Amino acid sequence: KQEVTQIPAALSVPEGENLVLNCSFTDSAIYNLQWFRQDPGKGLTSLLLIQSSQREQTSGRLNASLDKSSGRSTLYIAASQPGDSATYLCAVRPLDDSWGKLQFGAGTQVVVTP
Amino acid sequence: DAGVTQSPTHLIKTRGQQVTLRCSPKSGHDTVSWYQQALGQGPQFIFQYYEEEERQRGNFPDRFSGHQFPNYSSELNVNALLLGDSALYLCASSLKGTGANVLTFGAGSRLTVL
Repeated sequence: KQEVTQIPAALSVPEGENLVLNCSFTDSAIYNLQWFRQDPGKGLTSLLLIQSSQREQTSGRLNASLDKSSGRSTLYIAASQPGDSATYLCAVRPLDDSWGKLQFGAGTQVVVTP
Repeated sequence: DAGVTQSPTHLIKTRGQQVTLRCSPKSGHDTVSWYQQALGQGPQFIFQYYEEEERQRGNFPDRFSGHQFPNYSSELNVNALLLGDSALYLCASSLKGTGANVLTFGAGSRLTVL
């Protein structure tokens, strides 16, 4: 059974520091991995999607890497800003799933202090 | 282009009651998935609908049921509500057969069971 874990559960950094968020999964048979942002009480906003054949994806200040063999993904956010404060969730799509079902980690709650 | 729309945004019910949540998918999408997110947890997959049929189901009891209409909109019904059903219910839509089958999430319906 796939288990998705995110450590740490919470993180507080001063503005300007780089953020490093970790995601690990137990079964490497994945179709893709996705990072989401969730603001308090709100839905999910997709940040980056990495296909299983890719090593990384970049969008602006965000960079996500994927090491499928070791079951790890890392989300880097450069030069953090107070507006980056949110919960960040990673989710994997199993390889044998043709319907797009995702399995989520519990998330990392990030606070960026001015 | 409207994204995924969910209603109601918030509702309060008492134990034993029944609730219906509604979802309109993003324009052009034909598949709807429902997720339950308890406080401080990642979303858990409930079920997925395509062509008006339930295609995949997570580990949820039969009290949770759903429906998809010809216009692709969907309903989630929960009978005999328990305190533990209090959560944010997220609807996500996608287009079947697009390879990555990327999900677009709505803002969610916050259910409180007293």
